[in-house]
Amino acid sequence: GAGVSQSPRYKVAKRGQDVALRCDPISGHVSLFWYQQALGQGPEFLTYFQNEAQLDKSGLPSDRFFAERPEGSVSTLKIQRTQKEDSAVYLCASRPEGASNEKLFFGSGTQLSVL
Amino acid sequence: KQEVTQIPAALSVPEGENLVLNCSFTDSAIYNLQWFRQDPGKGLTSLLLIQSSQREQTSGRLNASLDKSSGRSTLYIAASQPGDSATYLCAVNRDSNYQLIWGAGTKLIIKP
Repeated sequence: GAGVSQSPRYKVAKRGQDVALRCDPISGHVSLFWYQQALGQGPEFLTYFQNEAQLDKSGLPSDRFFAERPEGSVSTLKIQRTQKEDSAVYLCASRPEGASNEKLFFGSGTQLSVL
Repeated sequence: KQEVTQIPAALSVPEGENLVLNCSFTDSAIYNLQWFRQDPGKGLTSLLLIQSSQREQTSGRLNASLDKSSGRSTLYIAASQPGDSATYLCAVNRDSNYQLIWGAGTKLIIKP
């Protein structure tokens, strides 16, 4: 596609529900990142994929958070047993190669509200 | 631990003015620094990327400078327009690591 696409755009969940957030990166992009952005703050790194390999998941806040990219393209971020503190905008970004001297392309994000 | 600070948190100026946004970082050992723009309800758009060996980058009315030794970067916007209104964030890559360390952003409002 023309850009990074994320769905859903908004998600409201009751505390304790499981949610799944989808990211379609730009076709052919090797690197894919997930970030969490709280209101008024910069994004916080969650996890990084190079193709289908999850090379770094050190930013995932707890074992309730799980991400996958099984075929090296679409990625899903799953949050189990959501808590109020999980409320944030979840951003996905992709980059053509693995090198960090290239610009990142971001999706519009999924705004998650946990009630 | 690398920390990135952006001051001011918010800025409002009349249309047509030239302005400077500031970004400071605590560890000068960076690989590159990027400036992003974020519009309400939208993702981030990369504006400029400065490699650690570079002093500045320019794109249209935007100019970003980097002074590693003092831990500072500035984003200069010339002849500001209402369409420039957005939140501007800077982020640093430490060494060749892919993890970006972000500032909290400066919310810019350009008044017509």
